[in-house]
Amino acid sequence: AQKITQTQPGMFVQEKEAVTLDCTYDTSDQSYGLFWYKQPSSGEMIFLIYQGSYDEQNATEGRYSLNFQKARKSANLVISASQLGDSAMYFCAMTELRGNTGKLIFGQGTTLQVKP
Amino acid sequence: EAGVAQSPRYKIIEKRQSVAFWCNPISGHATLYWYQQILGQGPKLLIQFQNNGVVDDSQLPKDRFSAERLKGVDSTLKIQPAKLEDSAVYLCASRPGTTGVGEKLFFGSGTQLSVL
Repeated sequence: AQKITQTQPGMFVQEKEAVTLDCTYDTSDQSYGLFWYKQPSSGEMIFLIYQGSYDEQNATEGRYSLNFQKARKSANLVISASQLGDSAMYFCAMTELRGNTGKLIFGQGTTLQVKP
Repeated sequence: EAGVAQSPRYKIIEKRQSVAFWCNPISGHATLYWYQQILGQGPKLLIQFQNNGVVDDSQLPKDRFSAERLKGVDSTLKIQPAKLEDSAVYLCASRPGTTGVGEKLFFGSGTQLSVL
């Protein structure tokens, strides 16, 4: 069965600094996708970045990058130049690509607080 | 483009009462998901629809939860009778389901249910 582990319940970062949020995963599938979502206090889940298991390069989306280490089964999110608006809950999630159900399995989440 | 719409935003009921949540996905999205998010945890899939057919309801407590998606558009999730442990945010998500693997899910703002 697939499993996502986020070991950091809470993180603090100073405004304008970079921060790394950890995510490890477990799956027996060879073909899978990894996502990061942001959940502000308003509750809506906002898509940040996606990495496919066969993608050779790490994904980047603006200030977000995904540090994908397949052998270690890790998919850490790096946020560069943190902003006050980045304060939120962050979830790592995965989906099996075989069957294309799109179903996401989520981790427990990491609360990020950006300090001015 | 209009996002995923959910209502109500908040609901407070007493245990053993019934409650219903409504979701209208993004127009044209074939796949619809209901997730349950208990405070401090990641979302957990309850049920997945492809058009108006159920793809996965293995995590749905069928003795008290039911869901339908008539005409393959909007969907209703019902709980009858509610228990204290049903207190959570219920998130609806959708995706096109037609553009291939690795599609992101679009989430609504959720319905926050409190069972007293």
